[in-house]
Amino acid sequence: QVQLQESGPGLVKPSQTLSLTCTVSGGSISGGGYYWSWVRQHPGKGLEWIGYIYHSGSTHYNSSLKSLLTISIDTSENQFSLKLNSVTAADTAVYYCARAVSGATLYFDLWGRGTQVTVSS
Amino acid sequence: QSALTQPRSVSGSPGQSVTISCTGTSSDVGTYNYVSWYQQHPGKAPKLVIYDVNQRPSGVPDRFSGSKSGNTASLTISGLQAEDEADYYCCSYAGNFVIFGGGTEVTVL
Repeated sequence: QVQLQESGPGLVKPSQTLSLTCTVSGGSISGGGYYWSWVRQHPGKGLEWIGYIYHSGSTHYNSSLKSLLTISIDTSENQFSLKLNSVTAADTAVYYCARAVSGATLYFDLWGRGTQVTVSS
Repeated sequence: QSALTQPRSVSGSPGQSVTISCTGTSSDVGTYNYVSWYQQHPGKAPKLVIYDVNQRPSGVPDRFSGSKSGNTASLTISGLQAEDEADYYCCSYAGNFVIFGGGTEVTVL
């Protein structure tokens, strides 16, 4: 079955760039019908949608993060990635990658286990 | 893009029913039938329990049901069981972006 796994540094210094990768196994990221997504959860708080990317490279971002955010996709590696620039302590969170079913619907049917990212000097 | 409004907590005894509300606006919940609900146990990733307002994924018990009226969606857990104790989040599509609710803690007394 399809699985998602996040990877990347657990500690990032303030003002630097947070970079995470989600590796998709058990299925191809190139097929249509899904948005490949990032969602984060601040400590003790709710879920926050960050953005998603289609296999074609088309992206949609949370407007509050848009100026600092890049989501990209590498179909040859079956991965998609997140880069968040100029991070602050407010970006400390658990970051999840997820698959969103699209096409006359929108819901997250598969999630990675999440990766803790702490922004601190 | 304000978060959808959910009660902070609800509780019920085993076997009872609880309902969680999720209030949005005419730009999200009120317009799109793309409301989904997620269950999250501590330290775990969210799990889909309802999609498209009232559709249940395979493997989710039929005691979970969803509905919508106007700008408010609801999740009902009937016949509450101990393993249902968790946080629940609603989510709505809002036209090229997605909004989550603030989350509701369900306690089984």
